[in-house]
Amino acid sequence: KAGVTQTPRYLIKTRGQQVTLSCSPISGHRSVSWYQQTPGQGLQFLFEYFSETQRNKGNFPGRFSGRQFSNSRSEMNVSTLELGDSALYLCASSLATGIQETQYFGPGTRLLVL
Amino acid sequence: AQSVAQPEDQVNVAEGNPLTVKCTYSVSGNPYLFWYVQYPNRGLQFLLKYITGDNLVKGSYGFEAEFNKSQTSFHLKKPSALVSDSALYFCAVRFPGGSGNTGKLIFGQGTTLQVKP
Repeated sequence: KAGVTQTPRYLIKTRGQQVTLSCSPISGHRSVSWYQQTPGQGLQFLFEYFSETQRNKGNFPGRFSGRQFSNSRSEMNVSTLELGDSALYLCASSLATGIQETQYFGPGTRLLVL
Repeated sequence: AQSVAQPEDQVNVAEGNPLTVKCTYSVSGNPYLFWYVQYPNRGLQFLLKYITGDNLVKGSYGFEAEFNKSQTSFHLKKPSALVSDSALYFCAVRFPGGSGNTGKLIFGQGTTLQVKP
């Protein structure tokens, strides 16, 4: 079974631009979560989607948004990029939403904001 | 506040020796604990999890972890380290607390494991 895939793998943007990242979960998985990883802040939860509904949101500004499609694929969007948005963005999928569910991570999208 | 701590930034071990990567947590209620490993330029790979039951959990690649409720710890262990185990290890916790927390993993800051030949 194919793992979680994320596109693109690398991205360079300039301040003020916006960016859209894509995540395809493992086949059959219906929950997708997004995390930001930076050297300073570590791994931080962005949001979780299940059945096209946002179930939980982390402590990030409204510039960060996401959505999930009927096939469980998810996108996240960052508008008005700032230098501090440079990070590795990780997507994780699980069969369902629930405390016991194991999240499986994709390889990430590395975003560099200049 | 709910949190996870990995007290060591780096752990150095000789190949063939046992290894321990430490993790402590602070959550109310019964935690659900996870270990992940990250190799350079890769995402996180799931190693093991503790939900309930036996305090010793066995996972992938020969790793195991021991849940200790009284010490609020969930240390990762392996009897004999390999050079290929060198990577960044993350402990993570999920805690019960309503529907708003179902998908959120709280991660420790990570511990770099260096296994030398």
